[in-house]
Amino acid sequence: GAVVSQHPSWVICKSGTSVKIECRSLDFQATTMFWYRQFPKQSLMLMATSNEGSKATYEQGVEKDKFLINHASLTLSTLTVTSAHPEDSSFYICSARRRVKETQYFGPGTRLLVL
Amino acid sequence: DAKTTQPTSMDCAEGRAANLPCNHSTISGNEYVYWYRQIHSQGPQYIIHGLKNNETNEMASLIITEDRKSSTLILPHATLRDTAVYYCIAETGANSKLTFGKGITLSVRP
Repeated sequence: GAVVSQHPSWVICKSGTSVKIECRSLDFQATTMFWYRQFPKQSLMLMATSNEGSKATYEQGVEKDKFLINHASLTLSTLTVTSAHPEDSSFYICSARRRVKETQYFGPGTRLLVL
Repeated sequence: DAKTTQPTSMDCAEGRAANLPCNHSTISGNEYVYWYRQIHSQGPQYIIHGLKNNETNEMASLIITEDRKSSTLILPHATLRDTAVYYCIAETGANSKLTFGKGITLSVRP
């Protein structure tokens, strides 16, 4: 099957620091990767879509300068939460798909706690 | 993408079939019905998807009505590990967005 990994699985950081989360497609090349955020007892909300080699497309209300996304290769996308604050504490989940009209497969998620 | 509606929750006995309904009355002709599930504190897991015909894989069966306005996900022999939130999503496949609603919480009881 299609396997997507994320690293780290959880991270605790101090307010004002930056945190990088990696998303890797392990057994396929992903032309598109997606980043979601999920707050407790809520559903997943799409933050941004990244296509390999091009700039990410952010959803309305998501600050692109705060959530930096890089999709430098067909197997790796990174999300950097810059100057993190406690309200950024959340469960961040990535997904990946090979190409348009193919299924999205999700990573296990990264739990971020900002103190 | 078409909006989908699901009951908030349901339960079933272990070993019995779990039938999870989904309404998508405004679905367009090129939108697929996708099912994902999310077990607590994990990323969503793909289950199955279909366009018109019924589909079956090793995890579940998907029954889509002829008018495509509703569908049912069937877990033939539910186990305790199937306890999760199940999401029904209508999406063209070409669109980037998988719009997750609240889903249905399935509780499998011993």
